[in-house]
Amino acid sequence: GQNIDQPTEMTATEGAIVQINCTYQTSGFNGLFWYQQHAGEAPTFLSYNVLDGLEEKGRFSSFLSRSKGYSYLLLKELQMKDSASYLCAVSLWTDKLIFGTGTRLQVFP
Amino acid sequence: GAVVSQHPSWVICKSGTSVKIECRSLDFQATTMFWYRQFPKQSLMLMATSNEGSKATYEQGVEKDKFLINHASLTLSTLTVTSAHPEDSSFYICSARWAAGVGVSRSTDTQYFGPGTRLTVL
Repeated sequence: GQNIDQPTEMTATEGAIVQINCTYQTSGFNGLFWYQQHAGEAPTFLSYNVLDGLEEKGRFSSFLSRSKGYSYLLLKELQMKDSASYLCAVSLWTDKLIFGTGTRLQVFP
Repeated sequence: GAVVSQHPSWVICKSGTSVKIECRSLDFQATTMFWYRQFPKQSLMLMATSNEGSKATYEQGVEKDKFLINHASLTLSTLTVTSAHPEDSSFYICSARWAAGVGVSRSTDTQYFGPGTRLTVL
């Protein structure tokens, strides 16, 4: 079966840095996505990793280690608007996306 | 960027009625569209994969006769919830993917999501 694990909830302070981890065990791997989802809205694309290493995009960075089945999303200089759910999703060879349960991040002033 | 729309954004219906949800890719042709369902405080669960001009592929446990999917063109897929019941109340989200073939850049692997449709069955 497919298994993707993320912490359920995290809290952080405005201006701080937070790392959201994701571990996966899937049959097939064609890349890993991170999406941001605000309550009641659709997910929006943040990052995509298919090779090992760190991808940086502004305040957001994503890391992948395929041998360890591990990824993290790093958010720097946190803002109140970053309060949202962050979804880790693995793309399978069949083009399907399998989502983790999501991590609800709350940013406090 | 790629834009995907859904209509309606919300719908309330009586038990036993059918509801149709449309998903459109506005600025690109989507060879593949996906339908997800999301219950409160849960993650997205894939219901089915829809390829233009062919029958949809349903995930295990999803009734194909209850959730009818049609992907008649490269920019439109529809999901019809037939004989809806209160337990079908959920947030339904579609996504569209553009597949350019061999040697594509990784950006084309991205699924672009619609804004979702909140279905409430009374």
